[in-house]
Amino acid sequence: QSVLTQPPSASGTPGQRVTISCSGSSSNIGSNTVNWYQQLPGTAPKLLIYSNNQRPSGVPDRFSGSKSGTSASLAISGLQSEDEADYYCAAWDDSLNGKVFGGGTKLTVL
Amino acid sequence: QVTLKESGPALVKPTQTLTLTCTFSGFSLSTSGMRASWIRQPPGKALEWLARIDWDDDKFYSTSLKTRLTISKDTSKNQVVLTMTNMDPVDTATYYCARYGSGDAFDIWGQGTMVTVSS
Repeated sequence: QSVLTQPPSASGTPGQRVTISCSGSSSNIGSNTVNWYQQLPGTAPKLLIYSNNQRPSGVPDRFSGSKSGTSASLAISGLQSEDEADYYCAAWDDSLNGKVFGGGTKLTVL
Repeated sequence: QVTLKESGPALVKPTQTLTLTCTFSGFSLSTSGMRASWIRQPPGKALEWLARIDWDDDKFYSTSLKTRLTISKDTSKNQVVLTMTNMDPVDTATYYCARYGSGDAFDIWGQGTMVTVSS
């Protein structure tokens, strides 16, 4: 049971916009920044979004992040087949004094 | 260029102690603000954060695994070591080390090392 809650799956067709939610609490998302990671099959996770809405160099601007209260979202616009991957949100938890991850969302491009 | 690489045994027996080493380059854990973590992922399951070590030797552990974990660093060798005692088949997973970057995020990850716990 993950501390952060994500939908287990999401899907969209090429060119569509999809969003993935991440729900937490006041001790994690509510008081700390959210990161998003993309994990392609058989590979290590890759940082997609940091500080709620910042993209590292090299990440396309099709990916965007937002946060409101104790929830966060990852949006992917102009969906492409190569976006098919697992996506994880993460945040520091002040009560647990540790990093917590969401359960992951498997994105399928139809 | 920042790189990290995990190493350790691919197979351990139940009750044994696992020792994993993360050897990195391109940064120093003696630099103020630098941090590194271990994260694991059982086959087909989600990521799970295990531990963090900071440049000033502060250490943080997963609450559920705290009694079994020890994280340490050797700045002269550019290594971070994780030990996990009393290994169990449920600890079978790919173990990753990662560097903390901006926004308290893991900006660089190692390739991971798969550890199977079986008699």
